Amino acid sequence: GENVEQHPSTLSVQEGDSAVIKCTYSDSASNYFPWYKQELGKGPQLIIDIRSNVGEKKDQRIAVTLNKTAKHFSLHITETQPEDSAVYFCAFKPEGSSNTGKLIFGQGTTLQVKP
Amino acid sequence: DSGVTQTPKHLITATGQRVTLRCSPRSGDLSVYWYQQSLDQGLQFLIHYYNGEERAKGNILERFSAQQFPDLHSELNLSSLELGDSALYFCASSNMVGLGEKLFFGSGTQLSVL
Repeated sequence: GENVEQHPSTLSVQEGDSAVIKCTYSDSASNYFPWYKQELGKGPQLIIDIRSNVGEKKDQRIAVTLNKTAKHFSLHITETQPEDSAVYFCAFKPEGSSNTGKLIFGQGTTLQVKP
Repeated sequence: DSGVTQTPKHLITATGQRVTLRCSPRSGDLSVYWYQQSLDQGLQFLIHYYNGEERAKGNILERFSAQQFPDLHSELNLSSLELGDSALYFCASSNMVGLGEKLFFGSGTQLSVL
């Protein structure tokens, strides 16, 4: 089936520390893996994405790594700040989705950054 | 602000009733997606429309239906409402279909069925 497991469900770090969230997906043919951030009272917002032809992508303090063999991908946030506190969702685009951009989302990780 | 507008922001209704949720996509976006977010189920894909045509369906209940109009806005109709339908309903839009499609989400409609 189409599913993705996301861990941990909650994560608390001190300001300045790093945070890592991991996901394992089911569809080995998937080739697009975005990460979304959801703040309280708002909709999810895309923060970074990666395609299967690369193993890592960075954008300032955020990086995503992909291991297609193991069907794992991870979000890394360095030098965390209180404004990074939010719920983070991993997602993937399942095989057979050439005419649709539907995404399958993980259960979410609530990140708390303590000042 | 994502540019996707959802109305109403909050909706309180009773079991058995019918409601309509509305979504206006970003200017120029042809695709509209509907998702349901609940505490126990997370973000669940419901349905995708592209330029008025249904493109993909998720685990959408038969009591739920959607459409996309010529002006590209979309409506999600929920009927014979049950307590378990209480959730946050999101609309997202994008300007392409295919690999690496970036979805832009609205702020959602919080539905409470009493």
